[in-house]
Amino acid sequence: QVQLQQSGAELVKPGSSVKISCKASGYTFTSYDMHWIKQQPGNGLEWIGWIYPGNGNTKYNQKFNGKATLTADKSSSTAYMQLSSLTSEDSAVYFCVRGVRWFAYWGQGTLVTVSS
Amino acid sequence: DTVLTQSPALAVSPGERVTISCRASESVSTGMHWYQQKPGQQPKLLIYGASNLESGVPARFSGSGSGTDFTLTIDPVEADDTATYFCQQSWNDRTFGGGTKLELK
Repeated sequence: QVQLQQSGAELVKPGSSVKISCKASGYTFTSYDMHWIKQQPGNGLEWIGWIYPGNGNTKYNQKFNGKATLTADKSSSTAYMQLSSLTSEDSAVYFCVRGVRWFAYWGQGTLVTVSS
Repeated sequence: DTVLTQSPALAVSPGERVTISCRASESVSTGMHWYQQKPGQQPKLLIYGASNLESGVPARFSGSGSGTDFTLTIDPVEADDTATYFCQQSWNDRTFGGGTKLELK
């Protein structure tokens, strides 16, 4: 069965960076887009972008250009998202999601808290 | 960006029929999908392609619409349906609606 296992919660300082991971199993990692979604407490969902692990192609929501960097390691079937220059506005739960047009498979989410 | 607008909240009694609406700022054809999210959980796909029921989702859930106006219907509503429901479009990149919180009376 398809599983997306994300890394644990992070407490990071303003101005720093964080890299969260999403290990995929149960399917061919290189054959499906991996998307990343942001959800702030009590708020809705924001699409950050996607990466196609097969060739490394990426596309970002313009809002997250320069904030998020998506990468993938085919050897370990793991997708990564690095967030830079963190502020309190980046405090949120981040989900990795397998899908193309719709999202049937979600990771459990990684809570990132930005605080000094 | 394609903006999706949802009513923020609804309250219904168990056994009733409820419709949750989502309006897009521009046509998304049938590229609309619906999710259910309960507190502390990841969203769960209910409907894809505007009207297709995801495998394993009860037939009480249905979707309709095309272009700019879409509806998720739950009939009949059960107590376990208390959750927030999000629409998402895939016609122009990806965006989500703000969510509709469904409460049971």
